[in-house]
Amino acid sequence: KAGVTQTPRYLIKTRGQQVTLSCSPISGHRSVSWYQQTPGQGLQFLFEYFSETQRNKGNFPGRFSGRQFSNSRSEMNVSTLELGDSALYLCASSYRGPTEAFFGQGTRLTVV
Amino acid sequence: GESVGLHLPTLSVQEGDNSIINCAYSNSASDYFIWYKQESGKGPQFIIDIRSNMDKRQGQRVTVLLNKTVKHLSLQIAATQPGDSAVYFCAESNNTDKLIFGTGTRLQVFP
Repeated sequence: KAGVTQTPRYLIKTRGQQVTLSCSPISGHRSVSWYQQTPGQGLQFLFEYFSETQRNKGNFPGRFSGRQFSNSRSEMNVSTLELGDSALYLCASSYRGPTEAFFGQGTRLTVV
Repeated sequence: GESVGLHLPTLSVQEGDNSIINCAYSNSASDYFIWYKQESGKGPQFIIDIRSNMDKRQGQRVTVLLNKTVKHLSLQIAATQPGDSAVYFCAESNNTDKLIFGTGTRLQVFP
């Protein structure tokens, strides 16, 4: 079966802009988690959605937001982009929760 | 899409040898642990998991050991192959809460 699909794979944005990233989970998975990966901070948890509700949230500013649709697809949005937001954004899906999660290939966001 | 930064600990092994990658976790209440492998340009790939009621679990060529007393997790790879070269992350979780990742270890396999 198809894995976790993230779009787009690469994105370049200017400071101050906003961006929306998309994640399609594995069929049947209802939990979608988002992570930010940077060389300095490693993999950090952003938030997790289950059945369209945010269940967990990491320590990121309010500029980072997300949502989940009834088909379990999820989007994350970053507003007022900063240079430090440049990172690989990873989405993971699982059946029940953020554990036992399978990751997509990520979206590489570069803010210039 | 490189996976990690410049200052990861690195383990270099010869092809065919066994590899042991170690991880210290932070939360004594964590009850679930996962090992992921991340190759350049790819997202983390699930390798093996273990719950806190176990101290050892084996997969195909991999074994995870959990020592709750010292909050230590290890991943053993038998007969390491060039395709095993990647960055390996351990992650911990408390009761299906978020995953908290370690900093990662780069495994380099030499012929």
